[in-house]
Amino acid sequence: NAGVTQTPKFQVLKTGQSMTLQCAQDMNHEYMSWYRQDPGMGLRLIHYSVGAGITDQGEVPNGYNVSRSTTEDFPLRLLSAAPSQTSVYFCASSYSGQDHNQPQHFGDGTRLSIL
Amino acid sequence: DQQVKQNSPSLSVQEGRISILNCDYTNSMFDYFLWYKKYPAEGPTFLISISSIKDKNEDGRFTVFLNKSAKHLSLHIVPSQPGDSAVYFCAASATDTGTASKLTFGTGTRLQVTL
Repeated sequence: NAGVTQTPKFQVLKTGQSMTLQCAQDMNHEYMSWYRQDPGMGLRLIHYSVGAGITDQGEVPNGYNVSRSTTEDFPLRLLSAAPSQTSVYFCASSYSGQDHNQPQHFGDGTRLSIL
Repeated sequence: DQQVKQNSPSLSVQEGRISILNCDYTNSMFDYFLWYKKYPAEGPTFLISISSIKDKNEDGRFTVFLNKSAKHLSLHIVPSQPGDSAVYFCAASATDTGTASKLTFGTGTRLQVTL
C-alpha cells in the first residue's frame, strides 16, 4: 500500500546537467501530475497526464519534459538544469481527471537544488 | 497573477479554540475548492472540499464555508488540536478546463496550535 512514491528524496545538480525525477503509483490511477513548490508561491502545475500515452502542459512547463508509457509511472525530466529550477517537486495522482470526488494523492516530494 | 490567495502566512491558536483559515479567489470559472494539509517533509494530504453549488461542507471537526459572491472560502477547525499544526493550502479547479483535477493552489497558511 505504497501510494505515490517519488525518488530520489534529495538531489543536487550542477547547472546544465540532466536528470529524471521518478514517480510511481500503485493505485491504478489514470490521472497523474507534477507540481513544484517554491517559497511564497504555493504549488504550481508543471505537467499532467489523464492516462497512459497522454500528457499536457500545466502552468509552468518550460524546461521540463514528461512521458506516460504506463499507468503506474510518470517521470519528469530536466534536460538542462537551471538554478531557477531549484524547488521541491511533488507528484500526485487521482482515479480520474474528471471526477472532483476523487481527490489527488501526493508523494512526499523531491527536494532539488541546482548549483 | 495569483488566482487563489491566502493572505495570512501564519496563524496561532490555542488548543481547544476555533481556527479560521481564509482563502480568496479571483477566477469566476472555479467551481470546486479543496483544502490540503501539509506537514514538513511530507506531501499535501486532502482534508475537505466543497462544490460551488454548496455553501457549506462539514467533516468532523472541519467545516468549509463558501461565499461565491465574495469569492471567499474559509476553513474552520473546531476544536483545534496540537496535531492540527501544519501548513494549510487552499486549492481550486474549474470543470470547464476539461480536466477537473488541474488545481490552482494558494500560497498556504501555517497554523500553529499552542497548548
